[in-house]
Amino acid sequence: QVQLQESGPGLVKPSETLSIDCTVSGGSINSDYWNWVRQPPGKGLEWIGNMLYTGSTDYNPSLKSRVTISVDTSKTQFSLKLTSVTAADTAIYYCARARSSGGHYHFDYWGQGTLVTVSS
Amino acid sequence: DIQMTQSPSSLSASVGDRVTITCRASQSIGKNLHWYEQKPGKAPNLLIFAASSLLSGVPSRFSGSGSGTDFALTISGLQPGDLATYYCQQGYSAPYTFGQGTRLEIK
Repeated sequence: QVQLQESGPGLVKPSETLSIDCTVSGGSINSDYWNWVRQPPGKGLEWIGNMLYTGSTDYNPSLKSRVTISVDTSKTQFSLKLTSVTAADTAIYYCARARSSGGHYHFDYWGQGTLVTVSS
Repeated sequence: DIQMTQSPSSLSASVGDRVTITCRASQSIGKNLHWYEQKPGKAPNLLIFAASSLLSGVPSRFSGSGSGTDFALTISGLQPGDLATYYCQQGYSAPYTFGQGTRLEIK
């Protein structure tokens, strides 16, 4: 059973960089797609981006200029960095595994989420 | 980006009822449509992938249908534990987008 666990700062100041890690257990990070999805309080879900196990990345154009996703296979961990944050980046951040079975890209395992608040 | 529109935004139904949530894509996505359930305070949970394939362990009360641009999630024999927000998601092309959600309340 694959499990994902986010670890983040909880509070980030405006204009600073948000950094969150996701630790994967019960499965290999050397396959599939590893994603970040966020959800502002009381609102819907937004896909931030992914990293394929090969190291290639794909980002949501709405965030692309500020986002970096990287992976540390030795730690079975992948990370999100979001620069120049504002209050609009306040959200629950989820890490999730995705599979593309027959080209159907879907998220089959999720972390519990970590709330990040942007405030001075 | 492919826009996903769900309806209704919320609905209230009684235990035992049958409810249907619809999801429309702004362009044809084949059967590349997936449904999630998000219970209060929890992460989303995949219920159905590829429009109609039920994930192992998901009760058969849940079913999905559709292709192209129009899709539906049907829950038969509603249970109190079905209180949740339901989201559709297109996996056809990045950026992968979700519907705005349908909040299901149990009367």
